[in-house]
Amino acid sequence: QQQVKQSPQSLIVQKGGIPIINCAYENTAFDYFPWYQQFPGKGPALLIAIRPDVSEKKEGRFTISFNKSAKQFSLHIMDSQPGDSATYFCAAKNAGNNRKLIWGLGTSLAVNP
Amino acid sequence: DVKVTQSSRYLVKRTGEKVFLECVQDMDHENMFWYRQDPGLGLRLIYFSYDVKMKEKGDIPEGYSVSREKKERFSLILESASTNQTSMYLCASSLWAGQGALSPLHFGNGTRLTVT
Repeated sequence: QQQVKQSPQSLIVQKGGIPIINCAYENTAFDYFPWYQQFPGKGPALLIAIRPDVSEKKEGRFTISFNKSAKQFSLHIMDSQPGDSATYFCAAKNAGNNRKLIWGLGTSLAVNP
Repeated sequence: DVKVTQSSRYLVKRTGEKVFLECVQDMDHENMFWYRQDPGLGLRLIYFSYDVKMKEKGDIPEGYSVSREKKERFSLILESASTNQTSMYLCASSLWAGQGALSPLHFGNGTRLTVT
């Protein structure tokens, strides 16, 4: 059972475009929502994270938007660059278990020059 | 900078062999994890450990075991490798951040295991 549903599976944008990756969840006990970025041949690395008491968080060109009532959160990449081409994973943590993340299935992003 | 090192980048083993995947972290992290990554299936947790000699099953522990004899080292063991265990294996570590918190996972670069 997929507890965090991520879409789309893959995405192609032109340089300068704004790719948006969406995640949805059902469990209202989730209290922490990170995004990880994975380049080919590397392990994932934390990109940005948000807690449900905040509706938006920005770090450089990356923004998380969080809609608690809809149980959705999304990653926006402003002014995307070819170097942003990577796989992006959303995840969630259950407030009752702070050792384990529940992962989305990932989105493969390609930014064309 | 945290470094998580996986001993092999590529590994080819035969069906039925016992396989050891090794992972070492250099930041004194309490938590260590083994994931496997397959196309379309994302990251699936096999086992994790929150202390020396402690382990907990993840979502897909069948066919695997783990060992954590020292804090910095976490080993994944395939008791009798099968072709359906061909995959990318990722090790990760994280600091214990206290109740209600989760510190970032730091991943190694993976071991691509092929079982023939």
